[in-house]
Amino acid sequence: DTEVTQTPKHLVMGMTNKKSLKCEQHMGHRAMYWYKQKAKKPPELMFVYSYEKLSINESVPSRFSPECPNSSLLNLHLHALQPEDSALYLCASSPRTASNEKLFFGSGTQLSVL
Amino acid sequence: GQSLEQPSEVTAVEGAIVQINCTYQTSGFYGLSWYQQHDGGAPTFLSYNALDGLEETGRFSSFLSRSDSYGYLLLQELQMKDSASYFCAVRANYGGSQGNLIFGKGTKLSVKP
Repeated sequence: DTEVTQTPKHLVMGMTNKKSLKCEQHMGHRAMYWYKQKAKKPPELMFVYSYEKLSINESVPSRFSPECPNSSLLNLHLHALQPEDSALYLCASSPRTASNEKLFFGSGTQLSVL
Repeated sequence: GQSLEQPSEVTAVEGAIVQINCTYQTSGFYGLSWYQQHDGGAPTFLSYNALDGLEETGRFSSFLSRSDSYGYLLLQELQMKDSASYFCAVRANYGGSQGNLIFGKGTKLSVKP
């Protein structure tokens, strides 16, 4: 199994809603990442988890809250988002953070904030 | 600072060869990665060069010159399905992202019949 699975594929939410994005991998990878990608732009790093511990928080607003319940799962909790947060949210994994030249990406969640 | 430069768009015809260049400015360089992303899809890893020279994988090859801070992705026998965005990437060497991949702005390749 070389897949990273993300759910949901599409999400529409209001600015007062609370929602969560989910990511799962069963490759035994110990590094997991959240990237944000706006249309026609490159992916931008948001968070990095290494061995289930948050190692990088790239100055992301607190309305985004990551969680890594175990080595296979990664969540991104969303609360009080703004319309400018509409984007494709990509989860990725790699065996370790030191071997991150090859990232395995999920297909993403296309988020629209109304 | 750190920067990656690649052309924003490239157009080629089926069966042709196309080269997508990437120049980078960074210290503490580890290597250059390439990713492909179709519209609406996930980025997928294509290649990684840590040492100078050409790496070949089927129709795709990737080249690196560390002394010139330059690399390229070469796509041969172009097919319509190669129409996608192609990103070069290096490890960030500063700030909160240090050690993690940062991506160039991407090159949109359009393959025409």
